[in-house]
Amino acid sequence: EAGVAQSPRYKIIEKRQSVAFWCNPISGHATLYWYQQILGQGPKLLIQFQNNGVVDDSQLPKDRFSAERLKGVDSTLKIQPAKLEDSAVYLCASSHQGGPYEQYFGPGTRLTVT
Amino acid sequence: TQLLEQSPQFLSIQEGENLTVYCNSSSVFSSLQWYRQEPGEGPVLLVTVVTGGEVKKLKRLTFQFGDARKDSSLHITAAQPGDTGLYLCAGDWAGNMLTFGGGTRLMVKP
Repeated sequence: EAGVAQSPRYKIIEKRQSVAFWCNPISGHATLYWYQQILGQGPKLLIQFQNNGVVDDSQLPKDRFSAERLKGVDSTLKIQPAKLEDSAVYLCASSHQGGPYEQYFGPGTRLTVT
Repeated sequence: TQLLEQSPQFLSIQEGENLTVYCNSSSVFSSLQWYRQEPGEGPVLLVTVVTGGEVKKLKRLTFQFGDARKDSSLHITAAQPGDTGLYLCAGDWAGNMLTFGGGTRLMVKP
């Protein structure tokens, strides 16, 4: 079974530029999560999708971050414009059902904003 | 905002030693998960505990869930260099979302 795929693996941009990350979850997983992991910290949930609907986006900075999962499969997370404090690893995870059990994580995208 | 505190933040030990890391909160969890994360990779689930007082074993790793379901511990017996990594606990309060602790970074030296 293929795991969660993410691209790109690394991205370096200047502040005020835009960036997008892509995630393809495990086949059949209805729930998809985006996390932000700042160096030295645990992951922080940004947004959770159930199929193509948003379950929770309370910690998503909506003035600059947006995410979509139009067909209920893959997802895109965008930052526009980026700030220095957005430097982090962005992790995508998926799970079978809406609960927290058995979340499978992708390798993440390491973003550096200069 | 629910908070999970992990201790210690860093731990450096010699191969063969035993260690325990802790995960604490003032709130009651529905369930708690432990993950291990290696550099450049996403977290990998080790175990999920659901019942207060529950103990689960995974080879040399022993996980315990507190009776009141507010805390948990991970004990590693005879640590090996392959155990090196970031250990994360994650609590579920609402039934479908996880809040992660800050992690314990473990280094096991040969």
